[in-house]
Amino acid sequence: QVQLVQSGAEVKKPGSSVKISCKASGDTLNKDAVSWVRQAPGQGLEWMGGIIAFFGTPNYAERFQGRVTILTDESLNTVYMEVNGLTYEDTAVYYCARALTVDGDPLAFDIWGQGTRVTVS
Amino acid sequence: EIVLTQSPGTLSVSPGESATLSCRASQSVSSRYVAWYQQKPGQAPRLLIFGASTRATGIPDRFSGSGSGTGFTLTISRLDPEDFAVYYCQQYDRSPYTFGQGTKLQIK
Repeated sequence: QVQLVQSGAEVKKPGSSVKISCKASGDTLNKDAVSWVRQAPGQGLEWMGGIIAFFGTPNYAERFQGRVTILTDESLNTVYMEVNGLTYEDTAVYYCARALTVDGDPLAFDIWGQGTRVTVS
Repeated sequence: EIVLTQSPGTLSVSPGESATLSCRASQSVSSRYVAWYQQKPGQAPRLLIFGASTRATGIPDRFSGSGSGTGFTLTISRLDPEDFAVYYCQQYDRSPYTFGQGTKLQIK
């Protein structure tokens, strides 16, 4: 069973960038759909983008296009997300999540990382 | 973008009773791609239901999902104290894969 372990909390200044990692253990992420979801304090869940590890091109929500980059490293079994041009509104917990697939079709997020708190201050 | 609207925002129910949570989509969604999650404070979301009605591994049969098109429902019967949490619906039909704003289920 895959487990996703994310990098630790970050404190960043406005205008800077942050890169968060999501490392899989227990199995390879190869061909899994992995997404990034964020949750601002006291708010709901927001899908930011995703990728098919370690093949596909990333797919981003329009509002993050151009500011977010999702990368993978097959040798490390890890997915990364970089967010540029941070603003106070980017303060949130960021989760990576793997999609459950049935017949090769991703349906929902069944495995989640523990979350990475990013504070822009 | 498919907008998911959950109702009610907050639901107060006594343990042992049932709760019905609603999720309405701004356009038709294939039920194959509708999921429900439970989230407790300080924790990552947990998948409860996928395919609108299929329970994820380890989820008790007190949780059931139904619906099609633009209307979906999560029903929790015989509420246990551990069930009081925030619940989100989500669609994986069309990108961006949006979530509802959540329903907080609290103890009455």
